[in-house]
Amino acid sequence: EPEVTQTPSHQVTQMGQEVILRCVPISNHLYFYWYRQILGQKVEFLVSFYNNEISEKSEIFDDQFSVERPDGSNFTLKIRSTKLEDSAMYFCASRTGSLEKLFFGSGTQLSVL
Amino acid sequence: AQSVTQPDIHITVSEGASLELRCNYSYGATPYLFWYVQSPGQGLQLLLKYFSGDTLVQGIKGFEAEFKRSQSSFNLRKPSVHWSDAAEYFCAVGAGDAGNMLTFGGGTRLMVKP
Repeated sequence: EPEVTQTPSHQVTQMGQEVILRCVPISNHLYFYWYRQILGQKVEFLVSFYNNEISEKSEIFDDQFSVERPDGSNFTLKIRSTKLEDSAMYFCASRTGSLEKLFFGSGTQLSVL
Repeated sequence: AQSVTQPDIHITVSEGASLELRCNYSYGATPYLFWYVQSPGQGLQLLLKYFSGDTLVQGIKGFEAEFKRSQSSFNLRKPSVHWSDAAEYFCAVGAGDAGNMLTFGGGTRLMVKP
């Protein structure tokens, strides 16, 4: 089965630093997403991206966050100035179209010190 | 706003026994409902989904779920559990365009006794 690939699997950063989390969605997919899961809490929707623009975003996705699809294969999440509370597992997901199966990557564990 | 409740944080069953994981949702319109499974170190894998039609939905790995509008529930069932089913299970409701934004429950961790 095709896979969504996320790198790195773990990332440690200092508070205030910028981080970029990388994802390679499945090649023929058109819709892209970021979710996160703070330890012990629910998985939360951050943002969805379609046709080179954000289609929906949650309250969590404030001005410190941005997403980009810089080329035909990568989909990135940037956190401009990390805070301690940004520590979480970040999941990338993609699908071919609406109503279709959503494929998740295995996540990037971000630790902000 | 939509919400999902999974009342059981942990469940332990014996291998070969039947399983039912509970899920209750709150959503103003007809919901898109999902069950995902997460094994350690893995991403979330879709087990099954309900969009419309038959309220009993069949999924992968022998799982099924039944949508009951009157009870706002979407419980996951399996008639005979295998040791490899030990994982964390998440129920989710989809909002927005065709269920674009998923709201997840807190998850139920399933342990399987030999």
